[in-house]
Amino acid sequence: DGGITQSPKYLFRKEGQNVTLSCEQNLNHDAMYWYRQDPGQGLRLIYYSQIVNDFQKGDIAEGYSVSREKKESFPLTVTSAQKNPTAFYLCASSHLAGDMNEQFFGPGTRLTVL
Amino acid sequence: GQQVMQIPQYQHVQEGEDFTTYCNSSTTLSNIQWYKQRPGGHPVFLIQLVKSGEVKKQKRLTFQFGEAKKNSSLHITATQTTDVGTYFCAGGGGSNYKLTFGKGTLLTVNP
Repeated sequence: DGGITQSPKYLFRKEGQNVTLSCEQNLNHDAMYWYRQDPGQGLRLIYYSQIVNDFQKGDIAEGYSVSREKKESFPLTVTSAQKNPTAFYLCASSHLAGDMNEQFFGPGTRLTVL
Repeated sequence: GQQVMQIPQYQHVQEGEDFTTYCNSSTTLSNIQWYKQRPGGHPVFLIQLVKSGEVKKQKRLTFQFGEAKKNSSLHITATQTTDVGTYFCAGGGGSNYKLTFGKGTLLTVNP
């Protein structure tokens, strides 16, 4: 059964703690993305990666870090430097080649920082 | 950088009424995609438009891409309660894998 998994679905952390969100895909996609969704703000791109061991900052990368050690995995770390970390985090993946490059989204992780 | 504006932010309709959401980009797009996010869910791809002036239909949904490839619309005919959700447009720029999402239109349907 192919798809994208994110864990956990809900996550609570104390202020000042780093937290890592998991994202795994078995779709054999080259590109992976992390978005943040806040009410009324749509999806804002945090980081994206086209290939293993390479990634680029999106529009709101400050306070976040990522790694891409394997094609299937693209974990996101929310650091204590992120001023407003409470949000819904969505991971996505897509092909790079061809005309159709729609993004497939995981179920998301809702992070609450207390 | 590229900006994609989407209106309206909210739309409430009676079941059976039509619905339209509009998207405008600050730059010419290589393609535009539409996604639907049900309440509590994640975005799901609906369609991609690539050609200038392109029109595509999916049952009651009609998607258009403007001649200048800077605007797009999604029209739903005779809404149903199953249409409830947030509809996002997403513009592709020069590198076709990166998308800029609009803020979305939340559609609610009164049965």
